[in-house]
Amino acid sequence: QKEVEQNSGPLSVPEGAIASLNCTYSDRVSQSFFWYRQYSGKSPELIMSIYSNGDKEDGRFTAQLNKASQYVSLLIRDSQPSDSATYLCAVIRIAGGTSYGKLTFGQGTILTVHP
Amino acid sequence: ETGVTQTPRHLVMGMTNKKSLKCEQHLGHNAMYWYKQSAKKPLELMFVYNFKEQTENNSVPSRFSPECPNSSHLFLHLHTLQPEDSALYLCASSQGETSQETQYFGPGTRLLVL
Repeated sequence: QKEVEQNSGPLSVPEGAIASLNCTYSDRVSQSFFWYRQYSGKSPELIMSIYSNGDKEDGRFTAQLNKASQYVSLLIRDSQPSDSATYLCAVIRIAGGTSYGKLTFGQGTILTVHP
Repeated sequence: ETGVTQTPRHLVMGMTNKKSLKCEQHLGHNAMYWYKQSAKKPLELMFVYNFKEQTENNSVPSRFSPECPNSSHLFLHLHTLQPEDSALYLCASSQGETSQETQYFGPGTRLLVL
């Protein structure tokens, strides 16, 4: 089983629609969850982080975390063509000692928003 | 522009060459990281340094040798690489204090090993 698994995609949505990106993780003691966006040929940039169960909203983006189901998602409302990118889910697991920085990434989901 | 710079941006090297990748951060962070991103594989953590001390080596082959002379600079020394080492190598930095902090990535070095 992959440590962090994302819906394989690619995902294509029309402009203005809601894009839903999903991620599951295998380690129950994971504690911090991040969504990064990576444009083609560019490096990842953080768009959302979430640490507690429930929803976290930031503009058009909503992250949802369910630790019991080991599931984290990202919703993008009113999708724009500029949202077209690869979205990476990342998780920090507690692996003994200091846990900071030990990000484990999923394989990414390619999102295309068409006009 | 994230405040993390990497040089060179592109590198082509033969299997017998020795080269180094350089990363510099201007954010006052204490932790720096090397990641490898290969086609069709997840972004993979290689090394973690905090306050110049290596705190993580994710089973990386010895042909990759990191060096962190201070909290602002990080190097990755490469020697006798294999074609399968061709990838995008990303450097990142963060405060180095909690598991909730953001990592800021540099633009990456795209490496091709012939």
